[in-house]
Amino acid sequence: GESVGLHLPTLSVQEGDNSIINCAYSNSASDYFIWYKQESGKGPQFIIDIRSNMDKRQGQRVTVLLNKTVKHLSLQIAATQPGDSAVYFCAENIRDSSYKLIFGSGTRLLVRP
Amino acid sequence: DTAVSQTPKYLVTQMGNDKSIKCEQNLGHDTMYWYKQDSKKFLKIMFSYNNKELIINETVPNRFSPKSPDKAHLNLHINSLELGDSAVYFCASSRGTIDEQYFGPGTRLTVT
Repeated sequence: GESVGLHLPTLSVQEGDNSIINCAYSNSASDYFIWYKQESGKGPQFIIDIRSNMDKRQGQRVTVLLNKTVKHLSLQIAATQPGDSAVYFCAENIRDSSYKLIFGSGTRLLVRP
Repeated sequence: DTAVSQTPKYLVTQMGNDKSIKCEQNLGHDTMYWYKQDSKKFLKIMFSYNNKELIINETVPNRFSPKSPDKAHLNLHINSLELGDSAVYFCASSRGTIDEQYFGPGTRLTVT
């Protein structure tokens, strides 16, 4: 069935360290993936996306890795800052669906000062 | 400048009432969405409109009815509100149907 899940519901990291948030997806027909950040009381904010014809994409301090073989997606945040504390969602778009994004359950990132 | 705006931000009402949430985007996008986020932070698509045409209609009670008067607006009307409707409702928009979605600030609906 359609499902996107996360291995760790809460991740605590020291300020300045790198963070890695993981996501597993189950549908091999998914062709587009997005990471969103949601701060308390706000709407989800786009971080980075990747299409299925790529394995890696880099943004400012963030990198998304896509492993289609094992249906795994990860978000790496370099030099994590207090402002990175939020809930992070991965989402997948399934090629054969009616263009809807399926969201994972979210991982809370806590940055320790 | 606010890209995707929603009103109201908070909505407290009693069971059985009818209420509406409004959404507007000034990004010139063709596609708009409504999502529901429950108390466990799970986000689920409810509806999507592309150029004012309904393209996604998930399994939601027919008490929920979206209305798109034009491409920049997608409103959500809810009839006969129930306790289980309490959640945060997010509006979003995207340029096309497979593009990044921009979310509004959310409307926290509390049904008592």
